[in-house]
Amino acid sequence: NAGVTQTPKFQVLKTGQSMTLQCAQDMNHNSMYWYRQDPGMGLRLIYYSASEGTTDKGEVPNGYNVSRLNKREFSLRLESAAPSQTSVYFCASRQDQNTEAFFGQGTRLTVV
Amino acid sequence: LAKTTQPISMDSYEGQEVNITCSHNNIATNDYITWYQQFPSQGPRFIIQGYKTKVTNEVASLFIPADRKSSTLSLPRVSLSDTAVYYCLVGDIWGTTDSWGKLQFGAGTQVVVTP
Repeated sequence: NAGVTQTPKFQVLKTGQSMTLQCAQDMNHNSMYWYRQDPGMGLRLIYYSASEGTTDKGEVPNGYNVSRLNKREFSLRLESAAPSQTSVYFCASRQDQNTEAFFGQGTRLTVV
Repeated sequence: LAKTTQPISMDSYEGQEVNITCSHNNIATNDYITWYQQFPSQGPRFIIQGYKTKVTNEVASLFIPADRKSSTLSLPRVSLSDTAVYYCLVGDIWGTTDSWGKLQFGAGTQVVVTP
């Protein structure tokens, strides 16, 4: 069972470069989320998608964009990476707001 | 939004019982207490939830006193593989705090189990 799959697992970017973090789930879930986790802190919500075709900002959306490509896939894009975006990024999915959430293994991003 | 407070870290030896207490003084009547576990280099995963008294599953037990202002996650006879960060969440039955389905994670408790 794949669950939630994130690619890549590791990435190093130079300041100003762009990249897209990929997330796919095979559980036919409606809702998908992107979180970031910084040392000593909990997870903070960047963007979420309650259902296919919709996306909304979370608490720390600046510097990011997202695309809900289809029901399975939810990508996170950094248009111009900054050192402050060095973090571990987690994608999560759930059937809806009233069900268990499942997380991917994370993408460790370093911006130099 | 109920704020939670839990210890930053706890150390234990293999075979011991680990108890992590979470304070949530302003928990609402409809709120549940949910715990997540995060292993190194992995995302969090749900382990247990409860509303009052005691809940037990194959992973842990959750003790909630009558006033519900705190809760204690108990990990029996820990092994090295229980080394992880444990998060206490207060919200709906799955720890959600709003209509987005957002999970409000704090810093969690780092549990380190040594031989």
